[in-house]
Amino acid sequence: EAGVAQSPRYKIIEKRQSVAFWCNPISGHATLYWYQQILGQGPKLLIQFQNNGVVDDSQLPKDRFSAERLKGVDSTLKIQPAKLEDSAVYLCASSRSGRRDSYEQYFGPGTRLTVT
Amino acid sequence: GQQLNQSPQSMFIQEGEDVSMNCTSSSIFNTWLWYKQDPGEGPVLLIALYKAGELTSNGRLTAQFGITRKDSFLNISASIPSDVGIYFCAGQNRDDKIIFGKGTRLHILP
Repeated sequence: EAGVAQSPRYKIIEKRQSVAFWCNPISGHATLYWYQQILGQGPKLLIQFQNNGVVDDSQLPKDRFSAERLKGVDSTLKIQPAKLEDSAVYLCASSRSGRRDSYEQYFGPGTRLTVT
Repeated sequence: GQQLNQSPQSMFIQEGEDVSMNCTSSSIFNTWLWYKQDPGEGPVLLIALYKAGELTSNGRLTAQFGITRKDSFLNISASIPSDVGIYFCAGQNRDDKIIFGKGTRLHILP
């Protein structure tokens, strides 16, 4: 089974510019997550989708971050405008639906964002 | 907010040694998960634990869900070079949220 795909793998932008990340989850996985991982830290959840509905976006900085999952499959995460502190790895993960399986998340390779 | 405290922060061991790391919290968790992350990659799930007291093995890895539900440990036996990486614990709390620890960095000395 193919894993979680993310693109691009690396992105360098200047502060105040915009950037978008793309994620394609494992086929059949209803739940999709976006995490931010700052160097030396564990992943921090930004947003969780169940199919195309938002389950949890309590830690998403909504003044600059947005995410969508229009058809319940692929998802995009956007930052507009970027700040220096947004430099991090952005990880996408997916999991099966169902209470127990939903905690077993499969991660993509991540997008490393550098804001200068 | 809720935090998971992982220790040690980093470890330097000789190949062949056994490794032990743990994760603690002041709050109860309903599920404990252990992940490994290699440089430039996303975390990979190693072991999932669902019941207090549960002891689960995956090859040379063994993890336990603490009886108090506030801690978990991961042991690696007979370490090999490919065990190098960052090990994260994650817990599912009463609000159904998954929280990650800051990781334990494992280094193997030549």
